[in-house]
Amino acid sequence: DAMVIQNPRYQVTQFGKPVTLSCSQTLNHNVMYWYQQKSSQAPKLLFHYYDKDFNNEADTPDNFQSRRPNTSFCFLDIRSPGLGDAAMYLCATSRVEGTDSYEQYFGPGTRLTVT
Amino acid sequence: GQNIDQPTEMTATEGAIVQINCTYQTSGFNGLFWYQQHAGEAPTFLSYNVLDGLEEKGRFSSFLSRSKGYSYLLLKELQMKDSASYLCAVRDGNYQLIWGAGTKLIIKP
Repeated sequence: DAMVIQNPRYQVTQFGKPVTLSCSQTLNHNVMYWYQQKSSQAPKLLFHYYDKDFNNEADTPDNFQSRRPNTSFCFLDIRSPGLGDAAMYLCATSRVEGTDSYEQYFGPGTRLTVT
Repeated sequence: GQNIDQPTEMTATEGAIVQINCTYQTSGFNGLFWYQQHAGEAPTFLSYNVLDGLEEKGRFSSFLSRSKGYSYLLLKELQMKDSASYLCAVRDGNYQLIWGAGTKLIIKP
């Protein structure tokens, strides 16, 4: 089945130790998103790729970086995780054609714990 | 600023009907989405409204009034598995998706 896959599902890292989360999709969608979601809060968009074009949200900390080497894969790099970065990280994809934008499909998420 | 308001939590009884409201204030409007999110899982798409009126999909229906900046999600014949958070999200004039914090729905037997 076509889907959005995230690895790992659970990640534990130490304070300040770089960590990379991965996302892949078989939907061939042209837009990929990374969200951060903390308990009982709305998902917070960190950045998105429209094809190869990177779009950073104004309030996304510099500590967060992203790479999209090809259509199928997208990575979230946290250079120096702090305790406040512990959260669920959600990858999503959608198809956007001009002004037509369709619903987002989410991966299962990676729950990041920072010790 | 842009804002989406939903009740934080609601409780309903198995087999009953529940309506979850969402009001929004955004810079422009290009559609409203409802997503379901079970605890510890990713959101899954439920419905999309861009024109005024009611969209029905099985036990779930979603209503939109653009003039009032208002939507609701109606869940009928509630089942225990419907216990989840329900997120309202609005696509603004720049086609950015603005998310509400979600309504936690608790279903009791």
